[in-house]
This record gives sequence, structure tokens and C-alpha cells, in this order.
Amino acid sequence: AQTVTQSQPEMSVQEAETVTLSCTYDTSESNYYLFWYKQPPSRQMILVIRQEAYKQQNATENRFSVNFQKAAKSFSLKISDSQLGDTAMYFCALDTKAAGNKLTFGGGTRVLVKP
Amino acid sequence: DTAVSQTPKYLVTQMGNDKSIKCEQNLGHDTMYWYKQDSKKFLKIMFSYNNKELIINETVPNRFSPKSPDKAHLNLHINSLELGDSAVYFCASSPMSSSSYEQYFGPGTRLTVT
Repeated sequence: AQTVTQSQPEMSVQEAETVTLSCTYDTSESNYYLFWYKQPPSRQMILVIRQEAYKQQNATENRFSVNFQKAAKSFSLKISDSQLGDTAMYFCALDTKAAGNKLTFGGGTRVLVKP
Repeated sequence: DTAVSQTPKYLVTQMGNDKSIKCEQNLGHDTMYWYKQDSKKFLKIMFSYNNKELIINETVPNRFSPKSPDKAHLNLHINSLELGDSAVYFCASSPMSSSSYEQYFGPGTRLTVT
């Protein structure tokens, strides 16, 4: 079985500052994909960033970057230059071929960006 | 030009009723999914279909029955609704049943059972 854990239920950050969200996971697979999804108050699920486990280079998408530590099974998300529109729930998710391409989600971290 | 659409967006009904939620994707994807998000925001897979064939069926009460008339549609029918079925239900799709492909989510359907 695969599991995903997000240990921070809530975080707040001042506008323009940086916040880092933690995620740890467990899987016996060697090849898998990790994702961060954003869910704003509109409840739409939006893909923020994706990381292939076989790639050592950390993924980056504009102000969003990850710190992928495969040995430690850690996948943190850094939001730089936080904007008010970043206020949302953020979900870490794991997908393995063995699991049949179903996303296993963490419990989520609520991020509040303050002006 | 909505990619993944769900109807209705909100559904309020009484215990014991039968209801359906419809999902359609216009992305030409082969694989579609249903996820359930409970009141604590926890998201969990329920079903997935690939080219109209069921490939994932998690431990879900058999009151829930998915139906895929074609690969662009995946509907969810729920019989004998219970209070615990209250949740947000998300439909998603991806090009293929493969981990390397992003899943695109619909807007969700908030089901409230009273």
C-alpha cells in the first residue's frame, strides 16, 4: 500500500514571502510520479507541479519549486513571492504504475496568504 | 470549451433517494476517474475506467455504480443515499491509464444528504 502524509494542516505567509509545504510518502515502487495540486475556494483541483521519481533534477514551475529527496521519501513544495491568489488547500499526491494510475492524496495543507 | 464538466454542481437530497452525477470530458482522453472528497477535505479514488472498461474499483459500497456509455462520459449512480455519502465528488480524466499522465479534474459536485 502507498501512503502520503502532509504534517502541516495550516500555514500562513505574508504576501511576497516564501512558504514551504512538507510531504512525505511511502511506496515500495521504484518508479512513480509525485504531484502537488492546488484547491482554491472555488474547489477546482489545479495541478501545480509534477515530479518523475527517476529524474534527479527538482521540478520548477514559475514561483513553485519542489525539493525531492528520494531516499528520504520527501517531496516539499516551495512557493516563492507568495501572492494573495495562492491562498488555497494544497495536496501532495503519489501515483504508481502498480497502483493502477490512481492518485493517493495527502490530507492537505491550508495556505493563507496575508496582505 | 470546458475540459471536464460535471452536472449538477450541487445536489441536495434526502436519505434513501437514488441520484446520479454526470461527467463528460472533451479532451479525447481514454481514462476517467471518480474521487470522493469528504468533509475533512480528504480525497480518495473510487473508480477508474479505461475505454469504457472498469480498471479500478476501490472498497466502495455497491450502492455506488459507475457507468461509462462511451469513453467521453463516466456517470456515477448512487442508490439508497445515506448521510455519510455527503461529500464532494470529483470526476477526472487522463490521456491513458499511466502514471506519467496528468489527471484533469472537473469542478466537483457537492452532494448533501439530509
